[in-house]
Amino acid sequence: AQTVTQSQPEMSVQEAETVTLSCTYDTSENNYYLFWYKQPPSRQMILVIRQEAYKQQNATENRFSVNFQKAAKSFSLKISDSQLGDTAMYFCAFMKYSGAGSYQLTFGKGTKLSVIP
Amino acid sequence: NAGVMQNPRHLVRRRGQEARLRCSPMKGHSHVYWYRQLPEEGLKFMVYLQKENIIDESGMPKERFSAEFPKEGPSILRIQQVVRGDSAAYFCASSPDSVTWNTEAFFGQGTRLTVV
Repeated sequence: AQTVTQSQPEMSVQEAETVTLSCTYDTSENNYYLFWYKQPPSRQMILVIRQEAYKQQNATENRFSVNFQKAAKSFSLKISDSQLGDTAMYFCAFMKYSGAGSYQLTFGKGTKLSVIP
Repeated sequence: NAGVMQNPRHLVRRRGQEARLRCSPMKGHSHVYWYRQLPEEGLKFMVYLQKENIIDESGMPKERFSAEFPKEGPSILRIQQVVRGDSAAYFCASSPDSVTWNTEAFFGQGTRLTVV
């Protein structure tokens, strides 16, 4: 079974500064996908960024980028120029094909990020 | 195009009652996924359905839980004889096709079930 570990239950960052959220995972799979989701107080789950495991190049989406270290099974999220609207829970997630046409997401417990004005 | 709609947003049930959670996927989406989020935990997969078919229910508790996605109408997650441990937020996600890494599943805002 896959496990996803987010070791930082809570973090805070000053507005306009940079913050890095850590995530490690454990799997014996070779082909899989990794995601970061944001959950603001509205509870809506919003996809932030995704990475294919077979791609060495780190994914980037505007102010969000990842540092993917496959050998270390590490997938951290860097948020640059933090904005107040970035305040949310952030979940790291792992996806693999589980058979029968089904792809399952396994989520970590989340990191609560607070952006301080 | 409205997003994934879940109702109710909040549901309170007494122990032993039944809970029915509804999920209307985005227009044009025929694949639905249910996840459960216990307090202080991440989301855990429960079941994956296509119209009129259960594709993968490997995350569903064997007893008291059932799910359906009829030809017409919303997907329903049904919990019979609820217990305190069922208190959680239940999220539904939908996608136009079977989710792959580049086929995004869109999440609803969840139903928070409280069992008293």
